[in-house]
Amino acid sequence: QKEVEQNSGPLSVPEGAIASLNCTYSDRGSQSFFWYRQYSGKSPELIMFIYSNGDKEDGRFTAQLNKASQYVSLLIRDSQPSDSATYLCAVNRGGNFGNEKLTFGTGTRLTIIP
Amino acid sequence: DVKVTQSSRYLVKRTGEKVFLECVQDMDHENMFWYRQDPGLGLRLIYFSYDVKMKEKGDIPEGYSVSREKKERFSLILESASTNQTSMYLCASSPRDRSAFFGQGTRLTVV
Repeated sequence: QKEVEQNSGPLSVPEGAIASLNCTYSDRGSQSFFWYRQYSGKSPELIMFIYSNGDKEDGRFTAQLNKASQYVSLLIRDSQPSDSATYLCAVNRGGNFGNEKLTFGTGTRLTIIP
Repeated sequence: DVKVTQSSRYLVKRTGEKVFLECVQDMDHENMFWYRQDPGLGLRLIYFSYDVKMKEKGDIPEGYSVSREKKERFSLILESASTNQTSMYLCASSPRDRSAFFGQGTRLTVV
């Protein structure tokens, strides 16, 4: 089982709709969770992070974390063509000194259809 | 703004050459990482460092070594470059248990 799993897509969503991206992780000791966006040919850029169970909202983006189910998701409301990119889920075990490896999923390619 | 700078955007090297990829960050971050990114395989961790002179192997360390003599600089070394090391290499840095910031990437081609 991969440490961090994402559906590779592509996921196609009409402009203005809600895009839902999902991620599961295997290590119950994981403490922090991140969503990155990567445009083609560019390096990943951070969109959101979440540490606690529940929802965290930032503008059109909402991250959801359920540690019991080892599940983290990203919702994008009012999707725009500029949201078309690959979205990477990353997990950090954190905590003990030297035990902070940041592990990425393979990413979900999202296409917003005008 | 956090800045992570990789020394080269594009590199072409010959098989068997020793290759150095340099990365510098200006935010006094404790952690630094080297990843490679390949189509269909995503970002794979090669090595990471949580302090000066400290390093830990990631998921694919074979054929690579690293050096961190100063907090702001983390170097990736390909001891003898091979064609299967052709890839996009991404350096990142982060404070403890916080999000990572990426450099612009180095596209390395080994011929």
